[in-house]
Amino acid sequence: DPKIIQKPKYLVAVTGSEKILICEQYLGHNAMYWYRQSAKKPLEFMFSYSYQKLMDNQTASSRFQPQSSKKNHLDLQITALKPDDSATYFCASSQDRHAEQFFGPGTRLTVL
Amino acid sequence: GDQVEQSPSALSLHEGTGSALRCNFTTTMRAVQWFRKNSRGSLINLFYLASGTKENGRLKSAFDSKERYSTLHIRDAQLEDSGTYFCAAEDMGYKLTFGTGTSLLVDP
Repeated sequence: DPKIIQKPKYLVAVTGSEKILICEQYLGHNAMYWYRQSAKKPLEFMFSYSYQKLMDNQTASSRFQPQSSKKNHLDLQITALKPDDSATYFCASSQDRHAEQFFGPGTRLTVL
Repeated sequence: GDQVEQSPSALSLHEGTGSALRCNFTTTMRAVQWFRKNSRGSLINLFYLASGTKENGRLKSAFDSKERYSTLHIRDAQLEDSGTYFCAAEDMGYKLTFGTGTSLLVDP
């Protein structure tokens, strides 16, 4: 059974629209993260949350807004989508800070 | 910012042989993780080290925080070991900084 679920697996959006990427983890972890992998680049850290509180934000744009409705959920809302936002977005979780991180299967976003 | 330099970018091994992948860090890192990307694009956890060495089957990893590097050794390579391997270094915060990956091809 998958322990970290990301939905949808693939997503196509038009420029200027808004989308929400879903992430749920069933590992009982207290920390959750978002990373992004653009074409031919390494995975890049975006956000970290611990006990549903924002701990670190390395994303310059306010168009990216994490949302944590429950301890095991960390969704990512992206507004005013641009073609440059096209990437695979990975959610991850760890038991706590300074612990092994486990990654979801990713959501591949294409912005036309 | 923090950087992780991973080498080699590509590696070809004959079945039964071995080699090592390496990551160098530009700053002191707290821990390192090694992953393999499977055919579906998912990241499979291989190792998490805060110091020293760990071994799991034909894989062995080492991390030296002071010298700012980590290695992943593969011995007796098998066809199913083919894939892309990534190191990721954990800084003093929450962030993992990923290397650019090593594409490993094991042939008969």
